[in-house]
Order: sequence, then structure tokens, then C-alpha cells
Amino acid sequence: DAGVIQSPRHEVTEMGQEVTLRCKPISGHDYLFWYRQTMMRGLELLIYFNNNVPIDDSGMPEDRFSAKMPNASFSTLKIQPSEPRDSAVYFCASRSTGTPRGNEQFFGPGTRLTVL
Amino acid sequence: GENVEQHPSTLSVQEGDSAVIKCTYSDSASNYFPWYKQELGKGPQLIIDIRSNVGEKKDQRIAVTLNKTAKHFSLHITETQPEDSAVYFCAASKNSGYSTLTFGKGTMLLVSP
Repeated sequence: DAGVIQSPRHEVTEMGQEVTLRCKPISGHDYLFWYRQTMMRGLELLIYFNNNVPIDDSGMPEDRFSAKMPNASFSTLKIQPSEPRDSAVYFCASRSTGTPRGNEQFFGPGTRLTVL
Repeated sequence: GENVEQHPSTLSVQEGDSAVIKCTYSDSASNYFPWYKQELGKGPQLIIDIRSNVGEKKDQRIAVTLNKTAKHFSLHITETQPEDSAVYFCAASKNSGYSTLTFGKGTMLLVSP
């Protein structure tokens, strides 16, 4: 398996623009997580899905953030409108509860977002 | 909710020395404690984990210890090598389906040749 795939790897945009981050989890994994990483706040969980259903979005900072998982192999995190304080690295992770190592989360390479 | 404190935030050692990173957690119901390593430009990767029914676990040069009474756990790296240089994160969670990981703020380990 190729692991968790994220695109784009880098995104530079201007304040006010819409940004869409994409994630393809590992095939067969039933959980998908979106994290944001900054120097100040570390790794923060934004939202997670189980079998494509959002379970907890309490970490989503504002209504400007939204996430979807239309099927088991694809998820998006959208920021509209983007602001400079959204600049961070966004990670997607997945895990499978049906394996002996069901607690292990597998992280993608991340998307580095810069909002000017 | 769970709160995980990690220290030190940075750690510099000479190649061959040992490195120790410590974490404390707040929720006594937590029973799964993984450690992740993040290399520059990459996502975190699990390197070792421990569950509450075990006090210590080893895997070659790395080991984790857990003290449930004191609610703290530690990562020990022996005979450090330059390729051990990375950011290390501890985390805690309950061992249930909907459980999520709460991460510490990370420790940047620098191993000098």
C-alpha cells in the first residue's frame, strides 16, 4: 500500500481565498483523522470520521472550516475564506480497528499551507 | 478531557549517549500510550507503544516505561545515532473504538556526531 496520500503537499494562497486539502486513507481503514500542526499549539485534532461518518468535529476552529468524506477512499478539508492564522501543516491520518494494531494511526506527509 | 505534558522541548546529546523524554497525562482512564517520531518534512510515525497492563517495553535501542500510579511515561533511546535526530511526540488515549489520541507538544532531539 502507498500509505496515506495527501495533496497538495504545499499550498500558498491569499487571504480570503478558498482552500481545499485532500486525503486518501489507507485502503480498508475505517477511521480518518484531520490534524493541524503549528509551533505554538502542536498537533491538534480537528475532526475525525468512522466509516465515512463525522464523529467529532469539536476541534474545528471556526465555521470557516469544513470537512467531508464522501466515500471510504477520499476526504477533503476546506477553509473558506482562508486567513493568515490558518497557516500550518495539515495532516490526515487513518487507522483500522479490525487489526491487532488497531490503535495505530498512520499519518500522511502533510500539506503545508501558507496564507498571505 | 485528557491533557498530556511533555518535556524537555529540546534535547541535544552526543552520538552514543542516551536520551530520555518524559510525559505526564491527566486522565486516569487512559490506557494506551504511543510514541511517534517525526522527521523533517514528513508525518509522524509510530515507533513504539505501551498499554497499561505493561510497565516496560523494549524494541532494540528504544524502550518505554509507564507508571500508572504517577500517571507518567517515558521514552528511552540508548546508543543514540545521528539518524535519531527528529521530533518525538508522546500521546495518550483510552483503548476504545471512538478513542482519540491526545499528543504532547513534542521534543526536538538533536544527536551530534
